[in-house]
Amino acid sequence: DQQVKQNSPSLSVQEGRISILNCDYTNSMFDYFLWYKKYPAEGPTFLISISSIKDKNEDGRFTVFLNKSAKHLSLHIVPSQPGDSAVYFCAASASGDNTDKLIFGTGTRLQVFP
Amino acid sequence: EPEVTQTPSHQVTQMGQEVILRCVPISNHLYFYWYRQILGQKVEFLVSFYNNEISEKSEIFDDQFSVERPDGSNFTLKIRSTKLEDSAMYFCASTTGFDEQYFGPGTRLTVT
Repeated sequence: DQQVKQNSPSLSVQEGRISILNCDYTNSMFDYFLWYKKYPAEGPTFLISISSIKDKNEDGRFTVFLNKSAKHLSLHIVPSQPGDSAVYFCAASASGDNTDKLIFGTGTRLQVFP
Repeated sequence: EPEVTQTPSHQVTQMGQEVILRCVPISNHLYFYWYRQILGQKVEFLVSFYNNEISEKSEIFDDQFSVERPDGSNFTLKIRSTKLEDSAMYFCASTTGFDEQYFGPGTRLTVT
């Protein structure tokens, strides 16, 4: 039951270039989406979120795009930095706020090389 | 910056034994969660807790699991009789409800 899918298990990007991480979902009840970053031996750290009433949210180098009709969201990191190397999880919830459980994707390992 | 803390960082136990994983959520948070991640798999929701009772639980959270908030600060996950397949990273999370869920660093549970 993969309601949230990240089809690329890994991505390698040169420093300074754009990183694009993709996420697809199947449950049309999802209305709030988040990206978390995870380093080894640490818990997930919140990066950025987007509500279904928006199609774009930007925070510094990070931008999340939501295409509701395609049930697709993406995270853009520009410019990419070596410190961005981590596993990125897409997550979704159906409550429209932060109290509902999060359904996570399988993650994409991003490696940013010099 | 306030953070969610979890103890122990690593717990090794024998099959059939009881374990208690402990979490201290951020002090003004009202909603609490346990998630787990089996090695190589995605992070999965176990249970949510609000106002001293379980709000929602997943199919994974069977009768062997229980949660408790014994005082104003701790939030615990108990597994009564551990199985090999309970081996995973267990993450505690909390939120005020108006911001994102903050995750702790996790407890690695190894059942032998």
